[in-house]
Amino acid sequence: QVQLVQSGAEVKKPGSSVKVSCKASGGTFSSYAISWVRQAPGQGLEWMGGIIPIFGTANYAQKFQGRVTITADESTSTAYMELSSLRSEDTAVYYCARGLSRTTVGPFDYWGQGTLVTVSS
Amino acid sequence: EIVMTQSPATLSVSPGERATLSCRASQSVSSNLAWYQQKPGQAPRLLIYGASTRATGIPARFSGSGSGTEFTLTISSLQSEDFAVYYCQQYNNWPFFGQGTKLEIK
Repeated sequence: QVQLVQSGAEVKKPGSSVKVSCKASGGTFSSYAISWVRQAPGQGLEWMGGIIPIFGTANYAQKFQGRVTITADESTSTAYMELSSLRSEDTAVYYCARGLSRTTVGPFDYWGQGTLVTVSS
Repeated sequence: EIVMTQSPATLSVSPGERATLSCRASQSVSSNLAWYQQKPGQAPRLLIYGASTRATGIPARFSGSGSGTEFTLTISSLQSEDFAVYYCQQYNNWPFFGQGTKLEIK
């Protein structure tokens, strides 16, 4: 059974950065895409970007280009999402999610529990 | 970027009745369409992928149809646990979501 376990909640100041981790267990980490999806309070789901660990190259939604960095460490089966230049609108729950197949980024069959990032002065 | 539009925003249905949710893509996504269910405080759960294939463990009352730009999720006989928010997602290229449909008890 695949499990994705994310790091804990964060409170950050505007202009700072946050790095959230997602540790996978119970499956083959390297061959499946890991994506990051965020959800602002009361809002919908927003795909930020993803990475296939075995290839190491991330792809990002245009909205987040230049502000987000997604990486993966195959040795620890852990993916990371770093978001910089934080503003209040970045307050959201951030999820990692695994792709269903080896050939496409989506859809997502396994999800982490979510990490609340609060941006406040 | 492919834009996904869901309708209605809110759907009120009585338990035991059928619910029909719609999702439209701004351009063809073939059958690369998924549906998710999300309950408050929980991560989304994959229901349907490939427009019509139920994910593992999903009850048969959930069914999906459509291809190209028009898709439908049907819940044949609503149970109390089905009242939630539903999202469609295209993954023909980068996997963007629709804005969601809230299914509420009538």
